Amino acid sequence: EAGVVQSPRYKIIEKKQPVAFWCNPISGHNTLYWYRQNLGQGPELLIRYENEEAVDDSQLPKDRFSAERLKGVDSTLKIQPAELGDSAVYLCASSSPYNEQFFGPGTRLTVL
Amino acid sequence: QKEVEQNSGPLSVPEGAIASLNCTYSDRGSQSFFWYRQYSGKSPELIMFIYSNGDKEDGRFTAQLNKASQYVSLLIRDSQPSDSATYLCAFEGAAGNKLTFGGGTRVLVKP
Repeated sequence: EAGVVQSPRYKIIEKKQPVAFWCNPISGHNTLYWYRQNLGQGPELLIRYENEEAVDDSQLPKDRFSAERLKGVDSTLKIQPAELGDSAVYLCASSSPYNEQFFGPGTRLTVL
Repeated sequence: QKEVEQNSGPLSVPEGAIASLNCTYSDRGSQSFFWYRQYSGKSPELIMFIYSNGDKEDGRFTAQLNKASQYVSLLIRDSQPSDSATYLCAFEGAAGNKLTFGGGTRVLVKP
């Protein structure tokens, strides 16, 4: 069974530039999550989707972050414009019907 | 008070010994608890979950849950150098489907 796929794995941009991350969850997993993980900390939830509906986006900084999951499968997370403090690892996860979450490899973002 | 508290470590353990990790949480409505292992530069991987009070064993790993005292622990028996990683505990709140993670405990197993 293929795991959660994310791309790109690494991204370096200058501040004020836009950036987008892509995630394809495990087949059959209806719930998809985007997390941000800063160095030395645990992942923090940004947004959770049930199929194509964003059911929890309370931690998403909506002034610069947006996400979509149009067909209820893959998802894109965008930052525009990026700030220095956005440097982190962005993790996508999907969960089984038993609520076990499986993480993708993550995208390491560096904002210069 | 943080929602999930873990000692950041490092917890240094001799090879073959038992590593004991603890985690406390604040949400009394929490139903499910998870332990993830994260190697440096990698993403978290699920190693154990526990729903009921008591112990749950899986190979060299034992999770212990005490809802009354609001703590969950992880024991790693016969620790190996390959167990050196950061261990994250997480709980699922009463509303379900949302995991809140602790900051992780770094474990170093020395040969």
